[in-house]
Amino acid sequence: ETGVTQSPTHLIKTRGQQVTLRCSSQSGHNTVSWYQQALGQGPQFIFQYYREEENGRGNFPPRFSGLQFPNYSSELNVNALELDDSALYLCASSIGSRSNTGELFFGEGSRLTVL
Amino acid sequence: GENVEQHPSTLSVQEGDSAVIKCTYSDSASNYFPWYKQELGKRPQLIIDIRSNVGEKKDQRIAVTLNKTAKHFSLHITETQPEDSAVYFCAASYTGTASKLTFGTGTRLQVTL
Repeated sequence: ETGVTQSPTHLIKTRGQQVTLRCSSQSGHNTVSWYQQALGQGPQFIFQYYREEENGRGNFPPRFSGLQFPNYSSELNVNALELDDSALYLCASSIGSRSNTGELFFGEGSRLTVL
Repeated sequence: GENVEQHPSTLSVQEGDSAVIKCTYSDSASNYFPWYKQELGKRPQLIIDIRSNVGEKKDQRIAVTLNKTAKHFSLHITETQPEDSAVYFCAASYTGTASKLTFGTGTRLQVTL
């Protein structure tokens, strides 16, 4: 059984650019959640995807968008990057339904630096 | 929205001593409270959780208590070991599950020999 994998592990971008982060769910998991973890802070909920549809969103602007694919893998896209977007982006997969989800299994994250 | 505060931000204990980390939450609708351990450079991992219909839960050396009236919950680690050294995060959700979690700011626990 493979765990949650994320790519790339590290990347550097400049302000105004766009970035796409990828996540492969753990086998059998149908729900993906994305969290942003700034240095020294707790993870902040960005959004959750269930069966290819957004199923809840945190306090993040529309330039943060996502996709979930039929194989339950997912992408996080961030447009018009700002310096404050520098953070570790964590993907977590789980088994769930539209209204609830089981234990989250996190990937090791993608560390984004915006210069 | 929900706000979770966590204290202390750092905690140093000697091996074998107990450690207690406390969290308060603001939304009385929150009903699921997990705790995650994150070792340096590693992913967060669930160590224990509690739902609002339960006041206390234990798993070997780890226990969590919940006071719904005061809106706070605590993590207790007994007989600490060096491998307990990590950052611990509390979290809360109104969904009754691990969906849409609001995390605290973390506690760095250092267990010294």
